Amino acid sequence: GENVEQHPSTLSVQEGDSAVIKCTYSDSASNYFPWYKQELGKGPQLIIDIRSNVGEKKDQRIAVTLNKTAKHFSLHITETQPEDSAVYFCAASGGGTYKYIFGTGTRLKVLA
Amino acid sequence: EAGVAQSPRYKIIEKRQSVAFWCNPISGHATLYWYQQILGQGPKLLIQFQNNGVVDDSQLPKDRFSAERLKGVDSTLKIQPAKLEDSAVYLCASSPVGTNTGELFFGEGSRLTVL
Repeated sequence: GENVEQHPSTLSVQEGDSAVIKCTYSDSASNYFPWYKQELGKGPQLIIDIRSNVGEKKDQRIAVTLNKTAKHFSLHITETQPEDSAVYFCAASGGGTYKYIFGTGTRLKVLA
Repeated sequence: EAGVAQSPRYKIIEKRQSVAFWCNPISGHATLYWYQQILGQGPKLLIQFQNNGVVDDSQLPKDRFSAERLKGVDSTLKIQPAKLEDSAVYLCASSPVGTNTGELFFGEGSRLTVL
């Protein structure tokens, strides 16, 4: 079955710096790669996603890149702000009967 | 638009007791998921419903966990008897599509502590 690995588990950056979180997946049939942000006491919330026919997608300060050959995808947050502090999860899915599998999470701390 | 509703938010029980969690998905969402999130880990899929039918329950510990989605709307997840390792947050999510390639809308979760 699909396996999603996520690194690093914790990440501290100074406010205004960039943050990068990386994920790798095992199943080459996966074709949908979302990123979720989870704040304390809340459920995960989608922040950006990318499909396998696209190599990069950007939404304001957030971008995601996908390398299908290497089977890895990354989340990039630029000009980080204290409110970006949260746990971020990547996920992978192949649609149909494929499970929606989450990574282990990255706790991002943005230091003011 | 109302989000995914879950209750109770918190529950503390002794091991071997039973507990039930309730989820009301976003209106019109055909697909409903139950995930288990152990502290410090990512959500792990327990069961997925498409309307009132089970799509995937391969990771549901069926000797103690059960779930149902009557009439294709609300869902209940039950644990009986509970074990210490069941301590986790139980997240319910729903999606308007049934292809597993779209956004999941999560509730705030039900935190279970088993003593």
